[in-house]
Amino acid sequence: DQQVKQNSPSLSVQEGRISILNCDYTNSMFDYFLWYKKYPAEGPTFLISISSIKDKNEDGRFTVFLNKSAKHLSLHIVPSQPGDSAVYFCAASVNYGGSQGNLIFGKGTKLSVKP
Amino acid sequence: NAGVMQNPRHLVRRRGQEARLRCSPMKGHSHVYWYRQLPEEGLKFMVYLQKENIIDESGMPKERFSAEFPKEGPSILRIQQVVRGDSAAYFCASSPRGQEEKLFFGSGTQLSVL
Repeated sequence: DQQVKQNSPSLSVQEGRISILNCDYTNSMFDYFLWYKKYPAEGPTFLISISSIKDKNEDGRFTVFLNKSAKHLSLHIVPSQPGDSAVYFCAASVNYGGSQGNLIFGKGTKLSVKP
Repeated sequence: NAGVMQNPRHLVRRRGQEARLRCSPMKGHSHVYWYRQLPEEGLKFMVYLQKENIIDESGMPKERFSAEFPKEGPSILRIQQVVRGDSAAYFCASSPRGQEEKLFFGSGTQLSVL
């Protein structure tokens, strides 16, 4: 049973426009959410995170929105750049016993930003 | 390069052989995590270790897989008697004490079992 779902395997966006990547989760115990970016042949790189006590977190061109009632979060990238082309993973964790490193990942969305 | 170092990058084994994957965490990081990514899947947590201690191994298969993080040296993920289904990318991550939510990943080891 997939607890973190990224239903769009791929997304194509024009340079300069907004990219919106979506993520749904089923476990209401999740209280911390993260987005990772992954280039081919590299490990995932931390991008941005949000705690369940917030509904928005912004870092430069990247904003994550959390809708707890819908168990949904989204990552907005604006403006999108060709260098943003990568696979984006949504991840979630339950904070108990300090085991926050046990992250549940979605399957990823491959973003292509066209010049 | 002060990042998480994994070696080898690629490892080919025949069925029944042993695979040893190594991970050196970032300098100053005391927590190590191993994740596995099967083709077309997301990363799946396997094990969380601190020096000489396994903290959480809830994602480790019950047989053939083991992990250690000795007092000196890298963390080792060991897979005995490999089968084709073990073919995957294995990622190691580390985090500093008190910031376990921020994982820094290595580039991974691609294991291919023939």
